[in-house]
Amino acid sequence: EAGVTQSPTHLIKTRGQQATLRCSPISGHTSVYWYQQALGLGLQFLLWYDEGEERNRGNFPPRFSGRQFPNYSSELNVNALELEDSALYLCASSWDREDPYEQYFGPGTRLTVT
Amino acid sequence: AQTVTQSQPEMSVQEAETVTLSCTYDTSESDYYLFWYKQPPSRQMILVIRQEAYKQQNATENRFSVNFQKAAKSFSLKISDSQLGDAAMYFCAYKTGTASKLTFGTGTRLQVTL
Repeated sequence: EAGVTQSPTHLIKTRGQQATLRCSPISGHTSVYWYQQALGLGLQFLLWYDEGEERNRGNFPPRFSGRQFPNYSSELNVNALELEDSALYLCASSWDREDPYEQYFGPGTRLTVT
Repeated sequence: AQTVTQSQPEMSVQEAETVTLSCTYDTSESDYYLFWYKQPPSRQMILVIRQEAYKQQNATENRFSVNFQKAAKSFSLKISDSQLGDAAMYFCAYKTGTASKLTFGTGTRLQVTL
C-alpha cells in the first residue's frame, strides 16, 4: 500500500511569490492535515481537511490556504511568501471512521524563501 | 489550550542500553490520545507508540514502552536495547478524542553511540 506522497520535495521561491504544495493521502483516507515544521519552532498545525471541507485551522494568517479535491488529495497554497515561511511542510492523512487516532505522514516539502 | 512539553532537547545513549525520554502535557479533556513519533534524518515522521488516556495499562511495542501517569500528566518513552537506527528526533504528541489536530512537543534529539 502506497503511503502519503508529497510534491515537490524541494521548492525555492522568492519573497512575495506564491507557493503550491501537493499531498496525496493513503488510499481510503479522507482526512488530510498540514503541519509546518520551522527551525526552532517545532511542528505547528496549519489546516485540516475532511471530505472536501476545511474543518480546522491553526494560528496562521490567511495567506495560508488550501483545498481538498474529490479524490481526497490536497493542495496547500502560500501567498505573498515571507522569509519566515521557509520550513518543512508535512502532510498527514487519516481515516476518521475507523482507527481515528493515527495520522500517517508524508516525507514533506522543503520550502525555501529567498 | 493543550500544551506538550519535552524538557530534554538532546539525549545520548549507548548501543544496547536503555534510555527514557520525558514528556508532560496539559489538558482539561478527559478523552485524549498520546503519541510518540520518530523523525529520522530522512524527515519521515513515523509513529512509534500510542496510548489511549482511558487505558490504565501502559502501551508497549517491542523495545518501546511508555510510562503513562495520567494524574501527573506525564508520558515518558522508554527505549530498551537501543540500536543505531533509533537515532532520530522524537516528538511527543497529543490529540483529543474527536478527530482533530496533533499538538506536538518541541522534540528530543536522541543520539546512539557505540
